[in-house]
Amino acid sequence: DAKTTQPNSMESNEEEPVHLPCNHSTISGTDYIHWYRQLPSQGPEYVIHGLTSNVNNRMASLAIAEDRKSSTLILHRATLRDAAVYYCILYSYGKLTFGQGTILTVHP
Amino acid sequence: NAGVTQTPKFRILKIGQSMTLQCTQDMNHNYMYWYRQDPGMGLKLIYYSVGAGITDKGEVPNGYNVSRSTTEDFPLRLELAAPSQTSVYFCASSAGQGDNQPQHFGDGTRLSIL
Repeated sequence: DAKTTQPNSMESNEEEPVHLPCNHSTISGTDYIHWYRQLPSQGPEYVIHGLTSNVNNRMASLAIAEDRKSSTLILHRATLRDAAVYYCILYSYGKLTFGQGTILTVHP
Repeated sequence: NAGVTQTPKFRILKIGQSMTLQCTQDMNHNYMYWYRQDPGMGLKLIYYSVGAGITDKGEVPNGYNVSRSTTEDFPLRLELAAPSQTSVYFCASSAGQGDNQPQHFGDGTRLSIL
């Protein structure tokens, strides 16, 4: 399974943008890039996904490098409710393979 | 809207006991999954199903069994509980085929085996 590499933790201040990086140098041409987040004591929650082009939805934006070897999840204005573990995952053949993710701390 | 519902939310078992973790979804999704999450770790896939009557092993299937008799339900069975199976178990579902389909997760079952 293709792997992703994320920083263990990041910090942000409330109402500031947050850029969460992810490296996936072994991505194949058919792998979709998915982002999920997990709040404490809850199941993972889908955030956004993309294949080649940048994507926007009500929760976040996803910027994908031209060579697809890296991507960045962008939270435009962090809130305290965005504090969670963020997982960058390559979705391959119907399966998600979770890594350890990035713990995002948001300071008031 | 219920989505994916897991029961029970918490359970304590003794070594050697058996139990079934229940999972049901009301979104008419074909794909369903069971994951386990150990403390401080990401989720690991136990079993998955692409439709009623079809199941397949994931990364860590040993010690577990599943069945899929209906589209809605995907129970996970522990036959002989062991301390190594202490974990949080998540069920998920997704629509149709294709890696562009998000997975929807339940709130988990926290299982302790003593």
